[in-house]
Amino acid sequence: GENVEQHPSTLSVQEGDSAVIKCTYSDSASNYFPWYKQELGKRPQLIIDIRSNVGEKKDQRIAVTLNKTAKHFSLHITETQPEDSAVYFCAASEIGANSKLTFGKGITLSVRP
Amino acid sequence: DSGVTQTPKHLITATGQRVTLRCSPRSGDLSVYWYQQSLDQGLQFLIQYYNGEERAKGNILERFSAQQFPDLHSELNLSSLELGDSALYFCASSPSGGHGGEQFFGPGTRLTVL
Repeated sequence: GENVEQHPSTLSVQEGDSAVIKCTYSDSASNYFPWYKQELGKRPQLIIDIRSNVGEKKDQRIAVTLNKTAKHFSLHITETQPEDSAVYFCAASEIGANSKLTFGKGITLSVRP
Repeated sequence: DSGVTQTPKHLITATGQRVTLRCSPRSGDLSVYWYQQSLDQGLQFLIQYYNGEERAKGNILERFSAQQFPDLHSELNLSSLELGDSALYFCASSPSGGHGGEQFFGPGTRLTVL
């Protein structure tokens, strides 16, 4: 089955700096890669996702890049703000019926004011 | 607010007991997913139902079972509870049966087994 790993497990950055969170996956059949943000005590929420037919996707201050050959994808957050502090989960699945979304264990991002 | 509701919000019970967690998906969503979140394991996919039928199965223990009813709400039944079952249980919903789109998570049910 799919195995998704996130590195590092915690990340601390200064407000205004950029943050990069990396994930690796094992199943070459995976072609859908979402990122979820979970604030303390709250539910996970999708912030951006990418399909394997594109290499990069941007949405304002966040972007995701995908390297299918190396089986890794990364979340980039620019101009970080204290409200970006949260746990970020990457996930991978194959699009289609009977597939399962496999999540990484999460990375705690702390943005220092 | 995602539109997904879960009850109860908190549940405290003893080892060996049985509990039922309930989830109502967003209006129009046919798929319901159940996840277990513990501190050391992250978000673990348990099971998915689509329009009343089981669609995908993850790391769900035999002591756990789920179903989706004709009105599309879902219940997760946990029996013979153990201390290690203490976790946050999330339900999520999506419009379609396959992955490749956003899953909308409910607020979760925090289960504490004493």
